[in-house]
Amino acid sequence: QVHLEQSGAEVKKPGASVRVSCKASGYSFTGYLVHWVRQAPGQGLEWMGWITPNSGGTHFAQKFQGRVTMTRDTTISTAYMELSSLTSDDTAVYYCARDSESFDVWGQGTTVSVSS
Amino acid sequence: QAGLTQPPSVSKALRQTATLTCTGNSNNVGDQGAAWLQQHQDHPPKLLSYRDHNRPSGISERFSASRSGNTASLTIAGLQPEDEADYYCSAWDSSLSAWVFGGGTKLTVL
Repeated sequence: QVHLEQSGAEVKKPGASVRVSCKASGYSFTGYLVHWVRQAPGQGLEWMGWITPNSGGTHFAQKFQGRVTMTRDTTISTAYMELSSLTSDDTAVYYCARDSESFDVWGQGTTVSVSS
Repeated sequence: QAGLTQPPSVSKALRQTATLTCTGNSNNVGDQGAAWLQQHQDHPPKLLSYRDHNRPSGISERFSASRSGNTASLTIAGLQPEDEADYYCSAWDSSLSAWVFGGGTKLTVL
């Protein structure tokens, strides 16, 4: 079955960077966009951007441009999201989601905590 | 960036029908249509409908979605205790070149 498995929780200090991975299984990884969406504690969903696994092309929300990098390794069907210059406002659960007719399959989420 | 507007909370009795709304504009909901997601506490979101009224396989027929102009709606018939969750709408915004979400509606089943 289609599944997205994300890496484990991270604790970072302000100013650091974090990289979250999202391993796809059960479908052709290069056939669908992968989105990254985050959710701050008690808040709603916030779209960060997408990566096209086939070409590696990316598109980011304006808010994150210059601070986010999305990459992929097609040999292991894994997408990565790296966010730099972390502040406490980046404390959130980060999700990857496949795009097949909208956000149809989601990873379990990765908690990133930023604290000094 | 601008998002979609949803009522923060809706309460309905067991076995009744709830209708949740999501208001956008001609650049998002009115143009590309909306999707609806359900999220239970401490779980990832789950897609309930896409492009206004299409249901993914495995989603109960009790969930139906529609759109009128710039407002999308999700109707949940025969409310069950497990329907108590947060519901989000989302749409592609062509002017922002970004996906936008509503703030979410917390549905309480009384």
